[in-house]
Amino acid sequence: ETGVTQTPRHLVMGMTNKKSLKCEQHLGHNAMYWYKQSAKKPLELMFVYSLEERVENNSVPSRFSPECPNSSHLFLHLHTLQPEDSALYLCASSQDLANEQYFGPGTRLTVT
Amino acid sequence: KNEVEQSPQNLTAQEGEFITINCSYSVGISALHWLQQHPGGGIVSLFMLSSGKKKHGRLIATINIQEKHSSLHITASHPRDSAVYICAVTLYRHYQLIWGAGTKLIIKP
Repeated sequence: ETGVTQTPRHLVMGMTNKKSLKCEQHLGHNAMYWYKQSAKKPLELMFVYSLEERVENNSVPSRFSPECPNSSHLFLHLHTLQPEDSALYLCASSQDLANEQYFGPGTRLTVT
Repeated sequence: KNEVEQSPQNLTAQEGEFITINCSYSVGISALHWLQQHPGGGIVSLFMLSSGKKKHGRLIATINIQEKHSSLHITASHPRDSAVYICAVTLYRHYQLIWGAGTKLIIKP
């Protein structure tokens, strides 16, 4: 595996489900990011981790819970989501903050 | 007014045409990024620049810091260049990226 991988690629979940999105980077980077991309809107930064510490939480609802167990892995735990949370969730990594970010393919989430 | 504005929002051109996509910003930055997003979602970083001009294959990116403006050019465009092109800036003395809304480019054969 190379680059940044995300699983699953597609996810359909009900409003009462609990699921997790996984991101793994194989680049040796020390910063990881979660973004949300809704239709026809710019990317929204959700969370930033640097050296496994959360450095940014952009007023994201508590139904989204990130976890960074090590510098290569990033999770986004989802529970009791709303239909408006349906979007493409993108993970990215970089070597140090403010440097070029490398993106995963994204998880297309649909909340029914 | 958004801090990062792109134009045009949509662009359709014939194969072989020279393409220009523009990005203007209103904040202090340390770098500007051009990225490409294909249908299906994956985003690829094309350029990261803080001054002057960079070239990679048929792609050229320029930035004018004084005018707070950048352009992405594609020479000899091809249908495989069809994608959304996104401009983003790194705020000065910060790491956060501010994203433009993207330009959807369609190249017809």
